[in-house]
Amino acid sequence: ETGVTQTPRHLVMGMTNKKSLKCEQHLGHNAMYWYKQSAKKPLELMFVYNFKEQTENNSVPSRFSPECPNSSHLFLHLHTLQPEDSALYLCASSLDYGYTFGSGTRLTVV
Amino acid sequence: GNSVTQMEGPVTLSEEAFLTINCTYTATGYPSLFWYVQYPGEGLQLLLKATKADDKGSNKGFEATYRKETTSFHLEKGSVQVSDSAVYFCALSDLGGADGLTFGKGTHLIIQP
Repeated sequence: ETGVTQTPRHLVMGMTNKKSLKCEQHLGHNAMYWYKQSAKKPLELMFVYNFKEQTENNSVPSRFSPECPNSSHLFLHLHTLQPEDSALYLCASSLDYGYTFGSGTRLTVV
Repeated sequence: GNSVTQMEGPVTLSEEAFLTINCTYTATGYPSLFWYVQYPGEGLQLLLKATKADDKGSNKGFEATYRKETTSFHLEKGSVQVSDSAVYFCALSDLGGADGLTFGKGTHLIIQP
């Protein structure tokens, strides 16, 4: 247990489905992040939330929609995904330079 | 923009061998530097970090020194074990640490008995 909990651990969804990934931290961190990890590519920073406000969106397609209702919870809403969106989605939180990562959600789009 | 370059591997070593994984970076400011490790099926765990030039981060026998003059943060371990087999990521964080981490592509390390 790392202090950052992600659910579900595995998800298989069709291209017409709508699903959500959940991330939760009770470390007192004030920033939360979504990263995408694909084979043979560097980890890609997708979204950044500081004090619940989104401060960065790295040109992520609109089929990915983040939500941060409070400083402890972060969601990634998914709809009409493509097979190339299959990847490991990692959530992280931080306070100053201390980053903690969750174990990730392995997403497969069929 | 910021970037991190590291050897991709796989790097295959025998147990008790000396390990070096090279990492160099490009940053606009004065970043903090990190090494993360990822074991199969898991997320990333912080291995060590250094926040300013000439700092040495160390943990579990691994070390890395922040070299501003060569913009490098090479990871070393004197005697590796089979349990060190994993993927290692070099990363940097700039601008006060709240803008996320920029990662290298990761180095797959395989230690053979």
